[in-house]
Amino acid sequence: GAGVSQSPRYKVTKRGQDVALRCDPISGHVSLYWYRQALGQGPEFLTYFNYEAQQDKSGLPNDRFSAERPEGSISTLTIQRTEQRDSAMYRCASSLGGRGEQYFGPGTRLTVT
Amino acid sequence: QKEVEQDPGPLSVPEGAIVSLNCTYSNSAFQYFMWYRQYSRKGPELLMYTYSSGNKEDGRFTAQVDKSSKYISLFIRDSQPSDSATYLCAMISNTGKLIFGQGTTLQVKP
Repeated sequence: GAGVSQSPRYKVTKRGQDVALRCDPISGHVSLYWYRQALGQGPEFLTYFNYEAQQDKSGLPNDRFSAERPEGSISTLTIQRTEQRDSAMYRCASSLGGRGEQYFGPGTRLTVT
Repeated sequence: QKEVEQDPGPLSVPEGAIVSLNCTYSNSAFQYFMWYRQYSRKGPELLMYTYSSGNKEDGRFTAQVDKSSKYISLFIRDSQPSDSATYLCAMISNTGKLIFGQGTTLQVKP
């Protein structure tokens, strides 16, 4: 596809369950970023990759959150033992390089009940 | 104190007005500055990308960076109802991560 895609678009899960959110970046983009966006707020950085290497994970809230990009393309953000406070829009973005324009995907709306 | 501060608004202006949106930041290491526009229920899209101090113009949009004051601005001339959206300033840290402001909601009334 032409843009960044994310799946699922909506996810409702019960507290305590694990969830995996997927991001498929624009083909050829080296850098991939994960953000979390609360209503009325700007995106909050979580982590980013150059190729398959995780460059910065300082934004991950706690050790229940992890991300991987094993082949330098598709990435998965995993949240273990979900809590209600994890409910948010999770956005993925990709760019050609580390300082380049970031193209955002449509996001995954996660609701933890 | 947040690294990037942005007044959330909302800002309401009549069609044709000049709009001024602003952000301040605290980290003097920021060198790349961006403005994103986000329509309701959509992802952010890049409007302007500037490096260091000065002005950059693109159509009705002008981005201004004043590194000495740690202050950036986005001006929209001849504003249109289609400009109604949330405008987010963003900056790249020295580690490569993008740090966003809270976003300012703009409504342009016909």
